[in-house]
Amino acid sequence: LAKTTQPISMDSYEGQEVNITCSHNNIATNDYITWYQQFPSQGPRFIIQGYKTKVTNEVASLFIPADRKSSTLSLPRVSLSDTAVYYCLVGDFYNQGGKLIFGQGTELSVKP
Amino acid sequence: DAGVTQSPTHLIKTRGQHVTLRCSPISGHKSVSWYQQVLGQGPQFIFQYYEKEERGRGNFPDRFSARQFPNYSSELNVNALLLGDSALYLCASSLVGVGANVLTFGAGSRLTVL
Repeated sequence: LAKTTQPISMDSYEGQEVNITCSHNNIATNDYITWYQQFPSQGPRFIIQGYKTKVTNEVASLFIPADRKSSTLSLPRVSLSDTAVYYCLVGDFYNQGGKLIFGQGTELSVKP
Repeated sequence: DAGVTQSPTHLIKTRGQHVTLRCSPISGHKSVSWYQQVLGQGPQFIFQYYEKEERGRGNFPDRFSARQFPNYSSELNVNALLLGDSALYLCASSLVGVGANVLTFGAGSRLTVL
């Protein structure tokens, strides 16, 4: 399973766009990239998943360059409620089932 | 629809005791996975079950065991508790096959071992 590297922490202000970049140099052909969000004392929550190029949903965008060795989660116009830990995961999620490999994640702090 | 429900939400045990944690998956989800999350770290995979069989196991000692019932609910058992077992235990459910790529987590069971 590919190892991921992401910043340990980031600070932002309300209304700003936040971009969190994740490195995954050893990503395999069948691997997808997934981001989860976790609030204190809650379980992680799925945000977005992609394979290549760009994916957008109502919450975030995920940008993946052609070589797929990194990816960027973009949160538009963050609010205080976006303060959480964000995890980047890489794997063959359709076949590896419920086994997810979490790193330390990025602790995002949004200030007023 | 109810999400993934876990019980109990909090519990305190002493070293050497046994604990059973319970999980009810989202209706229609047949796969259940268990994770341990120590404070300040990401969740660590413990087990995955579907169709009542163990489908994956993480790097945890034999003191940890689990099972899945015909209604797809699951139990995680930990014997001979150690101080280091203090953690948030998370259960996640998913579909099998199409949709298996997304896990839905419960709020967890916070275990404190004294």
